[in-house]
Amino acid sequence: NAGVTQTPKFQVLKTGQSMTLQCAQDMNHEYMSWYRQDPGMGLRLIHYSVGAGITDQGEVPNGYNVSRSTTEDFPLRLLSAAPSQTSVYFCASSYSRAVNSPLHFGNGTRLTVT
Amino acid sequence: GIQVEQSPPDLILQEGANSTLRCNFSDSVNNLQWFHQNPWGQLINLFYIPSGTKQNGRLSATTVATERYSLLYISSSQTTDSGVYFCAPDSGGGADGLTFGKGTHLIIQP
Repeated sequence: NAGVTQTPKFQVLKTGQSMTLQCAQDMNHEYMSWYRQDPGMGLRLIHYSVGAGITDQGEVPNGYNVSRSTTEDFPLRLLSAAPSQTSVYFCASSYSRAVNSPLHFGNGTRLTVT
Repeated sequence: GIQVEQSPPDLILQEGANSTLRCNFSDSVNNLQWFHQNPWGQLINLFYIPSGTKQNGRLSATTVATERYSLLYISSSQTTDSGVYFCAPDSGGGADGLTFGKGTHLIIQP
C-alpha cells in the first residue's frame, strides 16, 4: 500500500517558471490538502479538496492553483515561481474531515526558487 | 482562526527519560491530532484525539477539550523519538483545516 505519493522529491526553479507538484493517494480518501512548511514554522494550509471536482483555499493560497479531477490525484501548480515560494511542500489525505479520520502525509517536495 | 501554542519549544533529554509536551488552543475543537516529524522530514500521525486519553506503546495523549489543551506523554525515551512533535487542532469550520502549532523539537541523547 503506497499511501500518499509525492513527486518530485526535490526541485529547483528560476523565478517566473511554472511547475506542477504531483500528489496521488491509493486509499480512496475523500479529503486531500497541500501544506507548506518553512523553517521554524508549523505547516500552513495552501489548498484543500473534500472530493473530486471540489477545491477551496486555505490560509496561504496566493500563487498556487489546484484541481481535483479524480479522487486519487491532487496536483499543485505554481503559476510563476517566486523566491518566497521556496519551501517544503506536503500533500496529505484523510478519509474525510469527519470524525475519526487521521491525516496521512506524503514524504514532501523540497522546492528552491532562485 | 484558531491559535495554537506548544511548549516547550525545545527539549533535550537522556535516553530513558520521560517527557510531557503541551498544546494549548484558543477555540473549541472537534478534532486534534499529534504528529511526529522525524529527522528525515517524514510526518507520522501519532494520535487522533479530540477528547479523552489514548495510548500507543510508550506514547500516550490526553485532550481536555473543555479546558482547551492536549498533552503528549513519552515514556522511556529512545533516540528514535527525536524530531519535532506537532499538535494540530481542527475547529471544524471554514478553510482552516488543521491548524499546526510550531512544534516541540525533542532531542534524545544516548
